Amino acid sequence: QAHLVESGGGVVQPGRSLRLSCAASGFTFSNYAMHWVRQAPGKGLEWVAVISYDGSDKYYADSVKGRFTISRDNSKNTLSLQMNSLRPDDTGVYYCARAEAVRAVLVSWGQGTPVTVSS
Amino acid sequence: EIVLTQSPVTLSLSPGERATLSCRARESVTTYLDWYQQKPGQTPRLLIYDASHRATGIPARFSGSGSGTDFTLTISSLEPEDFAVYYCQQRSNWPLTFGGGTKVEIK
Repeated sequence: QAHLVESGGGVVQPGRSLRLSCAASGFTFSNYAMHWVRQAPGKGLEWVAVISYDGSDKYYADSVKGRFTISRDNSKNTLSLQMNSLRPDDTGVYYCARAEAVRAVLVSWGQGTPVTVSS
Repeated sequence: EIVLTQSPVTLSLSPGERATLSCRARESVTTYLDWYQQKPGQTPRLLIYDASHRATGIPARFSGSGSGTDFTLTISSLEPEDFAVYYCQQRSNWPLTFGGGTKVEIK
């Protein structure tokens, strides 16, 4: 049973940085692509980024390209999202999710970690 | 990016009724279209993948159809636990995109 637990969320001022983590268990982490998806308060889902099983391929939403970096450590079963130059519209709950490949369906989701960007 | 438009925004129905939700893509996504259900305070749950395949454990009352630009999620007879928000998502092109969602509420 796949288990994904996000952490690292919090309140941060505009322009600052934050690093999110997603701890994976219950499956062979190194075999799966991993995504970040976010949801602003009261709004819909927005895909953020994906990384391939071995970290060789990465794709980003235009809204975060150049500011966010997705990475993974397969030895620690951990996915990360480094978020720089944060803006108020980056506020929301950030979910990690796993998929068979970078463009495969998102089959398992974590519970999310909240991020608030505010002065 | 491929814009997905879901309609209606809100669907007011009674338990036992049939729900028909639409997702329209601005350009063809072939069948790389998935549906998710999200209840308040909960994480999204995969219902349908590749336009018409039910995910593991999803009841048969949920079905998906369509290809190209027009897709439909049908709930044949609404159960109380089905009142939620439903999102479609395309995986055909980068960036991946979600529709704005359809809220199915109790009438």
